Amino acid sequence: DTAVSQTPKYLVTQMGNDKSIKCEQNLGHDTMYWYKQDSKKFLKIMFSYNNKELIINETVPNRFSPKSPDKAHLNLHINSLELGDSAVYFCASSQEGVFNYGYTFGSGTRLTVV
Amino acid sequence: AQSVTQLDSHVSVSEGTPVLLRCNYSSSYSPSLFWYVQHPNKGLQLLLKYTSAATLVKGINGFEAEFKKSETSFHLTKPSAHMSDAAEYFCVVSEKAAGNKLTFGGGTRVLVKP
Repeated sequence: DTAVSQTPKYLVTQMGNDKSIKCEQNLGHDTMYWYKQDSKKFLKIMFSYNNKELIINETVPNRFSPKSPDKAHLNLHINSLELGDSAVYFCASSQEGVFNYGYTFGSGTRLTVV
Repeated sequence: AQSVTQLDSHVSVSEGTPVLLRCNYSSSYSPSLFWYVQHPNKGLQLLLKYTSAATLVKGINGFEAEFKKSETSFHLTKPSAHMSDAAEYFCVVSEKAAGNKLTFGGGTRVLVKP
């Protein structure tokens, strides 16, 4: 029944590793997003996909590569992890044309790089 | 460009007393505005949204917010705080012209004293 689900919920990994976070939504929404929340709780958009096409890329290092195999999935792959990548990553979705109805967020993935 | 300023990083109230969380926004077009709440180690939950209809918006858990265009404000209030209201609150702005992305304020942490 979960509307936007992310896996894993927690991820602890060493510097230099490559990791992926998966996101799936069952709401039939057209648009999906990745947001990053830093240690000071500040939230900032990273990417947005609409119907599998990238529409927002907010000055994110190219070590971060989103992939959307279909409009219900938006995965985030991170290469060569750095200490500064430690954060909570939130996936979200919304319906195109009804942006002002608000978004549905996943429960977040807490990434810790050691 | 859109931006959001939450004027208080921390607010402390006693249980049963009113809560006021202040938010000012900047937007080039007619924005949509939201308040989200995040309880410790949890995801983001939508409290309420303004979408160019009534300027006084009622949300869940007794919260409401008033959109004041002349003051570019969207303050969140609740007449009587409950212990369960202790959380981080985010004021958020969205514009279709900005690709539907959400821009978050820095957050206000609410502490409720018994």
